[in-house]
Amino acid sequence: NAGVMQNPRHLVRRRGQEARLRCSPMKGHSHVYWYRQLPEEGLKFMVYLQKENIIDESGMPKERFSAEFPKEGPSILRIQQVVRGDSAAYFCASSATSTGGNEQFFGPGTRLTVL
Amino acid sequence: GDSVTQMEGPVTLSEEAFLTINCTYTATGYPSLFWYVQYPGEGLQLLLKATKADDKGSNKGFEATYRKETTSFHLEKGSVQVSDSAVYFCALGGSARQLTFGSGTQLTVLP
Repeated sequence: NAGVMQNPRHLVRRRGQEARLRCSPMKGHSHVYWYRQLPEEGLKFMVYLQKENIIDESGMPKERFSAEFPKEGPSILRIQQVVRGDSAAYFCASSATSTGGNEQFFGPGTRLTVL
Repeated sequence: GDSVTQMEGPVTLSEEAFLTINCTYTATGYPSLFWYVQYPGEGLQLLLKATKADDKGSNKGFEATYRKETTSFHLEKGSVQVSDSAVYFCALGGSARQLTFGSGTQLTVLP
C-alpha cells in the first residue's frame, strides 16, 4: 500500500513564475491537508480538502495561493507569481476520516526554492 | 484557538542518556495528541499518539502520557541511540480537522 506521494520533491522557480505542487493521498483516503514548513519552524496548516471540495482554507494566504482536489487525479497546490518568501517545504497529508483523533499520514514534501 | 508549546532545542545527549521533551497544549474539548518525528530531508512520521486522558502512547522505546490535569504530553525515552537524532514535533488534533504543531525540537545524540 503506497504512502502519500508528492511531486516534485524539489522545485526551483524564479520570482514571478508559477509553482504547482502535486499530492496523491494514500489509497482509500479522501481527506487531504496541505501544510507549510518555513526554515527552522514547525508546520502550519494551509488548507483541508475532500474530493472536489475545499473544506477549510483558513491557513491559506488570500492572494496567489489556491488548491484543488479533483474527482480524478492528485490534489494540486498552486502558487502564482512566487516570491522569495514562498521558499519553504510544503507537505501534504491524508487521512481516512476527518476526526481530530484520526492519524494523518504525511508525504515526503516538496521543497520550493524561489530565486 | 488551539495551540501547542514545545520545549525549545536543540537538545544534545550522549548515547544511552535519558530523554525528555516537554509539550503542553491549549485546546477546547478533548483533543488527540501526537508525536511526529522528522529525519533530515524527509516528511513526518507518526511516532505515537494518545486519544484520551491518561492514555499512554508508546513506540520504539518512546513513551508519552496524556495528562489532562496539566495539559501535557511529554515525550520520554530511557536510553537514546544515535539513530534517534531527528526533529520531534508535538501535535494536537482538536475540534478543527487539521493538526496544530509545536515548533519542533532538534535532538542530536552523540556516540
